[in-house]
Amino acid sequence: SQKIEQNSEALNIQEGKTATLTCNYTNYSPAYLQWYRQDPGRGPVFLLLIRENEKEKRKERLKVTFDTTLKQSLFHITASQPADSATYLCALDRGSTLGRLYFGRGTQLTVWP
Amino acid sequence: EAGVVQSPRYKIIEKKQPVAFWCNPISGHNTLYWYRQNLGQGPELLIRYENEEAVDDSQLPKDRFSAERLKGVDSTLKIQPAELGDSAVYLCASSLGASGKKNIQYFGAGTRLSVL
Repeated sequence: SQKIEQNSEALNIQEGKTATLTCNYTNYSPAYLQWYRQDPGRGPVFLLLIRENEKEKRKERLKVTFDTTLKQSLFHITASQPADSATYLCALDRGSTLGRLYFGRGTQLTVWP
Repeated sequence: EAGVVQSPRYKIIEKKQPVAFWCNPISGHNTLYWYRQNLGQGPELLIRYENEEAVDDSQLPKDRFSAERLKGVDSTLKIQPAELGDSAVYLCASSLGASGKKNIQYFGAGTRLSVL
């Protein structure tokens, strides 16, 4: 079965620094990898998607990398702000018509002023 | 445009009682998902629908869980009877399709179930 590990349950950083979250996976190689943000009491919200043949994807202060050799994705938030505090989930999509996303347990990010 | 709507937001029941959750997906989204999220964990798929057909229900505990998506729009997830271990957040999501960009999923706020 697919196993996804997100580097730590919690990450605390100072405002203005870059937050780096890690997602490692085993077994199946995903065709796509997605990152979601989840705030307390709410459902996950989609942030970024990266394909297996893409090395990097950017959106404003967010950057995602995808290394299929290492079986790892890194998620970066530059110039972090207290409003970025949330839980971030990575999710693997094996492609084809399977449709299932395999979610990691998430990393809770806290950005303090 | 309205997002995915779920109700109720909270439900407290005693064990062995039945419970039902309702989901209205984003208009035009043919694919609908029910997930269960335990505290401190990521969402885990229970069932996926393509229109009104359940195409992936391998993770659904069929002895007590059932789901339906009549007319390929709204969906209902039912538990009967509920057990203490069913306490969790039940999330509904919808997407345009099953892979790639079409598999970007839009989630409702979830129903938090507490079984006493």
